[in-house]
Amino acid sequence: DIQMTQSPASLSASLEEIVTITCQASQDIGNWLAWYQQKPGKSPQLLIYGATSLADGVPSRFSGSRSGTQYSLKISRLQVEDIGIYYCLQAYSAPPTFGGGTKLELK
Amino acid sequence: QIQLVQSGPELKKPGESVKISCKASGYTFTDYAMHWVKQAPGKGLKWMGWINTYTGKPTYADDFKGRFVFSLEASASTANLQISNLKNEDTATYFCARHNIGTTDYFDYWGQGVMVTVSS
Repeated sequence: DIQMTQSPASLSASLEEIVTITCQASQDIGNWLAWYQQKPGKSPQLLIYGATSLADGVPSRFSGSRSGTQYSLKISRLQVEDIGIYYCLQAYSAPPTFGGGTKLELK
Repeated sequence: QIQLVQSGPELKKPGESVKISCKASGYTFTDYAMHWVKQAPGKGLKWMGWINTYTGKPTYADDFKGRFVFSLEASASTANLQISNLKNEDTATYFCARHNIGTTDYFDYWGQGVMVTVSS
């Protein structure tokens, strides 16, 4: 199985700050990487697919990038509504695997 | 608009069974596979498997072979998850998620989740 190592596990940041979360894949997954945001008591919401494509309705302050097998989610100017837990997902090969999650809190 | 609406919370005793439903609307049900994802309390997301909504063929992750059954009521655009012989460790929220196949694959729409509590 492909392992997705997500970091950091938790992150405290201030409003308007730039936030970056990363996922390291254990092998090549091309652009088969998606990012999700989950708020307490809610289902995950798609933010980024294909490593860099912004999902419909997602604010442009979110962006995704790839460098080899390392994938990053960047929030350019943190807003209150961005607080939650973020997960990456690889769907390149079965079984699909999620990163362990990053809990983003306000400082 | 596209929606996946799941059934309500369940409280069960160990050894009992539970059936969770996921009703799709806003798209052609048989055009997209449906996946199931488990989230134990305070934990991350774990993929359980998927069902081909056109053929009805299920595929299970290794940890979910035996007591877990995916099924369809295609005429009702509904996917079901049944868990038998419930154990305490089955206490979790269970999500259905639609599989989008494009240039890359990902889960684009998710149900709201069903909390299953197993307690004696």
